[in-house]
This record gives sequence, structure tokens and C-alpha cells, in this order.
Amino acid sequence: KNEVEQSPQNLTAQEGEFITINCSYSVGISALHWLQQHPGGGIVSLFMLSSGKKKHGRLIATINIQEKHSSLHITASHPRDSAVYICAVSKGSQGNLIFGKGTKLSVKP
Amino acid sequence: NAGVTQTPKFQVLKTGQSMTLQCAQDMNHEYMSWYRQDPGMGLRLIHYSVGAGITDQGEVPNGYNVSRSTTEDFPLRLLSAAPSQTSVYFCASSYEATNEKLFFGSGTQLSVL
Repeated sequence: KNEVEQSPQNLTAQEGEFITINCSYSVGISALHWLQQHPGGGIVSLFMLSSGKKKHGRLIATINIQEKHSSLHITASHPRDSAVYICAVSKGSQGNLIFGKGTKLSVKP
Repeated sequence: NAGVTQTPKFQVLKTGQSMTLQCAQDMNHEYMSWYRQDPGMGLRLIHYSVGAGITDQGEVPNGYNVSRSTTEDFPLRLLSAAPSQTSVYFCASSYEATNEKLFFGSGTQLSVL
């Protein structure tokens, strides 16, 4: 069993819809990252969180340490949000990450 | 700031050839790392460094060497390329090793024939 599981694997939404991507992990962590990988391949860090909730524009990330679960929400989705969203957890002091396999999001106009 | 600069973007090698993937950052980051990304799998850590002169192995280090002679540069060397090393490689850096936002290079698509 993978230490980091994301769901769903693929997600198609209509423009304007509210989107939720889930990440569950089975190890003790010091932080969780949400990354965005664009169709061109570049990877951008969206959030790093160790507790609670963070918001940036239309993106919201939450984490529940007790349940070992995090969610990434996108409000008022737009075709430019189409990308692969990757969850990664950091365990140990060296900050080495374990990555989920990603969720491929496609937002249709 | 240029951020994390990774070269080349594309490379084709023959089995047995050696090459170096370059990674440089201009943000004075202590932590640098190399990952490979294969279809159907998450990114996997190859090697990492927590500062100049300090490197360590990640999850999949076999067939790769690294060194960190300066804070800025963290090259990844393929000693004798094998088809199993066909992958997309990403370099990343962060200010410190623990719980810091990561900055990624643009990736290198490597094919080994």
C-alpha cells in the first residue's frame, strides 16, 4: 500500500464547479505539500501546511493530522486550473518527501 | 532571481554513455534534491543535499552520483546510462531542509536507447 494515496485519480469538471481533491497518508509527518504540475511539465508549490487551513485566491488546503487526511479545494474552477495536482508528505527532519501519484484535473469551458 | 535552473531540457543517450544533468539556484537555498518522475508513479527522490559538501541518498540512488561543492550547484551524474533511467528528472530546492516551500526546476526529459 502506498504511503500517500490521492483520490480521485482523474477528475473532469465544468467551469465554475467546486472541486475537491483528497490526500490520505499512513505515516507520521511534519508537513504536507500540495503541488501543481502544468501540462508543460513544470511543477509549482501551492501550499505547505502542518495544521489547519490555508487559502490563496480560489485555492483552499486543509489538513486533519489526527485523521491523516488533507483536502485541496478549488472554488469557481476555470479551464486554466487544468493540471495534475500532487500531494506530498514530509517525514523526518531532512524534509524528504513522499509523493502521491497525482490527480489529473480537467476543467471544461 | 532566476530561481532553479535545470539543463538540458531534453537529452537522448545510448546505453552505457555518461552525462551530467545540471541544476543551479540563486536563492541561497541550503536544501537541494533530485527526483525522477515515471508514468503511473509519484516523484521519487534520487539524492539530496542539506548544504555544500553534504549529500545523501534517497529512495532510488543506484546508477546516479551527486556532489555539492557550492551552495548554488547540485549536478546529477549518470555513470553508465541504462534504459531503466529513461524518465523525467526534476531538481528542487528550499531554504532549509525542514518544512519549507519547494522550488522546482523545469525538468529534463531523458531517453536512454
